[in-house]
Amino acid sequence: EAGVAQSPRYKIIEKRQSVAFWCNPISGHATLYWYQQILGQGPKLLIQFQNNGVVDDSQLPKDRFSAERLKGVDSTLKIQPAKLEDSAVYLCASSWGQGLEAQYFGPGTRLLVL
Amino acid sequence: DAKTTQPPSMDCAEGRAANLPCNHSTISGNEYVYWYRQIHSQGPQYIIHGLKNNETNEMASLIITEDRKSSTLILPHATLRDTAVYYCIVRVPADSNYQLIWGAGTKLIIKP
Repeated sequence: EAGVAQSPRYKIIEKRQSVAFWCNPISGHATLYWYQQILGQGPKLLIQFQNNGVVDDSQLPKDRFSAERLKGVDSTLKIQPAKLEDSAVYLCASSWGQGLEAQYFGPGTRLLVL
Repeated sequence: DAKTTQPPSMDCAEGRAANLPCNHSTISGNEYVYWYRQIHSQGPQYIIHGLKNNETNEMASLIITEDRKSSTLILPHATLRDTAVYYCIVRVPADSNYQLIWGAGTKLIIKP
């Protein structure tokens, strides 16, 4: 089966610009996650969707970050305006449900903010 | 904050068993232990999870101590492709949901 797809793979922007990342989860997976991974650290959950509803966005900086999953399938994460400290890898993952199931990760989008 | 403590790095010879330790002394009775790994420039990959019994699958074995305060991930015959960062994670309840709290992991280097 096809894995989690993400695009773009790399993005370089200047601070105060905006950027958007796209994720297409594994077909049939109801739960979708966005993580931020800063160099040398483990991933940090930003937002979790169950179908097209938000389950957890407690660690999402809502003044600049937004995410949507309108039809319960693919998702977009946006940063506006970007700050230097947003430089990180943004990982998308999906799973069948919210239980004990494994999360399947995409390759990530590497963002550099100058 | 992560509920797990892992050594920052380890080496293992190719063909030998790699034993990766993890301390989770504050784990609660219904919190599962998960292991993922992340090969350089890739997304994390699920390995195994368990609650209190030892678990084994095609990738690895997970040994959890009886008091559940620590666990060990065992890769029985390590290959060069097992070089990666290995994350030991405790799944914690968060409101009506569960969340994986990731630490910095152990960088495992398999040497020829």
